[in-house]
Amino acid sequence: NAGVTQTPKFRILKIGQSMTLQCAQDMNHNYMYWYRQDPGMGLKLIYYSVGAGITDKGEVPNGYNVSRSTTEDFPLRLELAAPSQTSVYFCASRALSGKSDNEQFFGPGTRLTVL
Amino acid sequence: AQTVTQSQPEMSVQEAETVTLSCTYDTSESDYYLFWYKQPPSRQMILVIRQEAYKQQNATENRFSVNFQKAAKSFSLKISDSQLGDAAMYFCAYKEKDFGNEKLTFGTGTRLTIIP
Repeated sequence: NAGVTQTPKFRILKIGQSMTLQCAQDMNHNYMYWYRQDPGMGLKLIYYSVGAGITDKGEVPNGYNVSRSTTEDFPLRLELAAPSQTSVYFCASRALSGKSDNEQFFGPGTRLTVL
Repeated sequence: AQTVTQSQPEMSVQEAETVTLSCTYDTSESDYYLFWYKQPPSRQMILVIRQEAYKQQNATENRFSVNFQKAAKSFSLKISDSQLGDAAMYFCAYKEKDFGNEKLTFGTGTRLTIIP
């Protein structure tokens, strides 16, 4: 199992550009999440999904969009990049139930800089 | 709203010694989850230990154990026999048990340095 994978690892955007951060998991997890981590802070939830076709806003959704067409993939879209979106972005997933119930497995993160 | 506070931005410990990281939280819920996550320089978030609020017994995972004080809303992490590989940022996190509430609330982290 590769677990949770994210691409790219690093990206620099200009203000107003758009991009998609990719996230995939091969653990057949129902739940998937996007977080951002600003310097010196803990993670904050942007969006999450409880299954294919179902998404919901987290704590800081403004400026982002998501979709979940398959169980495996959960891309995060930035439409008009702003300097305030400079952050490290983490994708995570978890199983619906089982031994590791409520344990979220994280990807390695994407460092995004908006200039 | 739930909040998680880690009052120690940095801690250091001699290799092979024991260190305790503090975490307090605020909630009006009676049942919830608490977690400690480790974030090494590689940035990967790794679950260290988990505690369910209704379980009175403190969770233990090898050299890692917690002191869960529900009434005081305190959830400290004890690392015994510290190793160089324990050097990392440690985040305390809280999650309600309500189905449909997926928010995981993190503290601001404690940077742990291991002194050889």
